[in-house]
Amino acid sequence: GAVVSQHPSRVICKSGTSVKIECRSLDFQATTMFWYRQFPKKSLMLMATSNEGSKATYEQGVEKDKFLINHASLTLSTLTVTSAHPEDSSFYICSARVTGGVEGTNEKLFFGSGTQLSVL
Amino acid sequence: LAKTTQPISMDSYEGQEVNITCSHNNIATNDYITWYQQFPSQGPRFIIQGYKTKVTNEVASLFIPADRKSSTLSLPRVSLSDTAVYYCLVAPFSGGYNKLIFGAGTRLAVHP
Repeated sequence: GAVVSQHPSRVICKSGTSVKIECRSLDFQATTMFWYRQFPKKSLMLMATSNEGSKATYEQGVEKDKFLINHASLTLSTLTVTSAHPEDSSFYICSARVTGGVEGTNEKLFFGSGTQLSVL
Repeated sequence: LAKTTQPISMDSYEGQEVNITCSHNNIATNDYITWYQQFPSQGPRFIIQGYKTKVTNEVASLFIPADRKSSTLSLPRVSLSDTAVYYCLVAPFSGGYNKLIFGAGTRLAVHP
């Protein structure tokens, strides 16, 4: 199946620093990627939709200046957590939408392996 | 997008068949049903997708009745490694993922 690579898998940073998370589609082009946040034993919460070549669309309650998203190419989207604080500690997951053709079936999402962010 | 309802948790034993049912009463005509599996500290993994009747692949089967208001994921002969959270999602097969909402999922525990 389609492969989405997310890096880093784990990051620990000091409060006030910025952290960048990369999401790459390895064997397909992804015009649309999604960023999720997940707290322990909770479901995934959509943060924003990343569109190649245009501004990201943020969900209600998600600070766009806090969570900067850049989708500069068809295979790469980045999420930067700016001036991170302990409450930003969470598991962040990206996904890419694959349209029919890669798997010979209909549109579906493929997910990265996630990034565990811990802010001290 | 159609809201889904699943059991919060299920328990099973190795070698048994597990059936997880998802209710989606408001499913639309152009909606597909997709199931994902998530292990701790990993991103969800695609399991199976279907529109109606039955779909089978190497890991699972998906049963969808004629009214499509529910679907059942069937995992044959589960093993300990099938312990995970399983999510049922309903969305249009094209362009519908912009507002994809994950429900709570079903936490499956497989015991020796």
